Amino acid sequence: DIQMTQTPSSVSASVGDRVTLTCRASQGITTSLAWYQQRPGKAPRLLISGASTLQSGVPSRFSGGGYGTDFTLTISSLQPEDFATYYCQQADSFPITFGQGTRLEI
Amino acid sequence: EVQLVESGGGLVKPGGSLTLSCAASGFTFRTSNMNWVRQAPGKGLEWVSSIDTSGTYRPCPQSLKGRFTISRNNAKNSMYLQMNSLRVEDTAVYYCARGDSSGYTSWGQGTLVTVSS
Repeated sequence: DIQMTQTPSSVSASVGDRVTLTCRASQGITTSLAWYQQRPGKAPRLLISGASTLQSGVPSRFSGGGYGTDFTLTISSLQPEDFATYYCQQADSFPITFGQGTRLEI
Repeated sequence: EVQLVESGGGLVKPGGSLTLSCAASGFTFRTSNMNWVRQAPGKGLEWVSSIDTSGTYRPCPQSLKGRFTISRNNAKNSMYLQMNSLRVEDTAVYYCARGDSSGYTSWGQGTLVTVSS
């Protein structure tokens, strides 16, 4: 199974900050990576697929990058609604696996 | 509007069985791959199983040891998860999600399964 490791596990930031979250795969997955946002008590929301393709309706302040084993999710200017937990997910092979999440706190 | 509504969760004793349902609307169900993802209280997301448009499913992770079986009924726009030999560690919110493995584009609100004596 491919292990996904997210760093940091939590991060504190302020409105307007630029923040970058990291996800590392235990083996190369080309660009087969998705990012999700989950607010407390809510279902996850797909932000990015294919490592860098922004989903429809997702604000342009979100961007993704990376290839192989190392990936990033960047939020260019944090808004109050962005404080949530973010998960990466590898789409390279079954079983599908998620990272443990990064909690973004005010 | 895409809607996915899970049902069938509840309290069950260890060793018991439960079947979850996911009712879909607002999109062409029969041409959509579907999935179950779960989340234990305070924990992260865990993929459970996937089923493609023809009904071919991906086996559950080894950690579930074949206790769970996914199925679908395209005529009823519904997907199911049969869960057997339930354990305390299966306690979680179970989400129904639409999409292929490249990204799950739509999610239900989840149904809570509690396994406890």
